[in-house]
Amino acid sequence: DAGVIQSPRHEVTEMGQEVTLRCKPISGHDYLFWYRQTMMRGLELLIYFNNNVPIDDSGMPEDRFSAKMPNASFSTLKIQPSEPRDSAVYFCASSLGDNTEAFFGQGTRLTVV
Amino acid sequence: AQKVTQAQTEISVVEKEDVTLDCVYETRDTTYYLFWYKQPPSGELVFLIRRNSFDEQNEISGRYSWNFQKSTSSFNFTITASQVVDSAVYFCALSETRGGSYIPTFGRGTSLIVHP
Repeated sequence: DAGVIQSPRHEVTEMGQEVTLRCKPISGHDYLFWYRQTMMRGLELLIYFNNNVPIDDSGMPEDRFSAKMPNASFSTLKIQPSEPRDSAVYFCASSLGDNTEAFFGQGTRLTVV
Repeated sequence: AQKVTQAQTEISVVEKEDVTLDCVYETRDTTYYLFWYKQPPSGELVFLIRRNSFDEQNEISGRYSWNFQKSTSSFNFTITASQVVDSAVYFCALSETRGGSYIPTFGRGTSLIVHP
């Protein structure tokens, strides 16, 4: 398996623009997580899905953030409109079960100018 | 309050030294899971080990070893005879129930620098 695949690897956008991050989890994994990593706050869980259903989105910082998982092999994290404070590395991860290890993608480095 | 505390922000050692990375966690669950991940300079997070709360046996994998002590809520990680390639940020994580599932919360990480 190719592992968790995220795209794009890098994204630079202007404040106010819409940004969409994409993730393909490992086939057969039932859980998908979106994390954000910053120097100030470390690794924060934004949202997780179980069998394509969003379970806990309490980590999503604002209504500007939304996430979807239309099928078992694809998820998106959208920021609209983007702001400079959204600049971070966004990781997608998937796991077989809820108590097993999560496998991470390589991350998307987002810079909002 | 932080669920996972990695008090050491940065550790610097010389190659071949042994180094221990500390992890202290806090949970009210009786069943939970602990993990260590490595984040090398390339940026991806690499899974190293998973332990459940009922298994306090220490584990050794090559130069890596882990010491789990429920009495002190600690899950420490030791690298023996460190190498330059061990330079990375290491994260400890705790999975406890959240929204009905066990979901990992990460510590702030410890940056390990191994000098040649």
